[in-house]
Amino acid sequence: KAGVTQTPRYLIKTRGQQVTLSCSPISGHRSVSWYQQTPGQGLQFLFEYFSETQRNKGNFPGRFSGRQFSNSRSEMNVSTLELGDSALYLCASSTQQGGTEAFFGQGTRLTVV
Amino acid sequence: SQKIEQNSEALNIQEGKTATLTCNYTNYSPAYLQWYRQDPGRGPVFLLLIRENEKEKRKERLKVTFDTTLKQSLFHITASQPADSATYLCALGRRGGGADGLTFGKGTHLIIQP
Repeated sequence: KAGVTQTPRYLIKTRGQQVTLSCSPISGHRSVSWYQQTPGQGLQFLFEYFSETQRNKGNFPGRFSGRQFSNSRSEMNVSTLELGDSALYLCASSTQQGGTEAFFGQGTRLTVV
Repeated sequence: SQKIEQNSEALNIQEGKTATLTCNYTNYSPAYLQWYRQDPGRGPVFLLLIRENEKEKRKERLKVTFDTTLKQSLFHITASQPADSATYLCALGRRGGGADGLTFGKGTHLIIQP
């Protein structure tokens, strides 16, 4: 079974630009969550989608948004990039809500210059 | 506010010994707790999940305990090996689970010395 696939793996953007990251969950998984990981803050929850609906949202500004498609693939978008958005963005999928394990992708390393 | 604390310093353990990692939390009533392993430049990998009504879980050389009164989980690796060197993250989850809004600690960097 293929794992969670995130693209691209690395990205360099300029302040003020926008970026879209993609996540393909494990086949059959309907829950997709996004996390931001930085050395100072650790892993922080961005949002979670289940069956194309956003179920939960973390404490991030409105510049961070996401969506999920009917095939469970998900994208997250960050507009008006700031230097502080430089981080590893991780996507995790699971079969359903309910205390099951989460499978993480390798992440997308975003650098804002 | 919710707070999860893990040993912030790196933990150095001699090969063959038992490594014990601590996860303490405040202002949180988790339905379950998970432990993940993360290697540099890679995403976390799920290791164990323990629910609020469970005291202990084991998987091969791994053991996790969960004390909701003390608000603490202990993660043990017995017969540790250099390949166990990594950062270990604990994560708390509410009812509704999966990757839904897991709250992570900042992790403990474990170094197993040959």
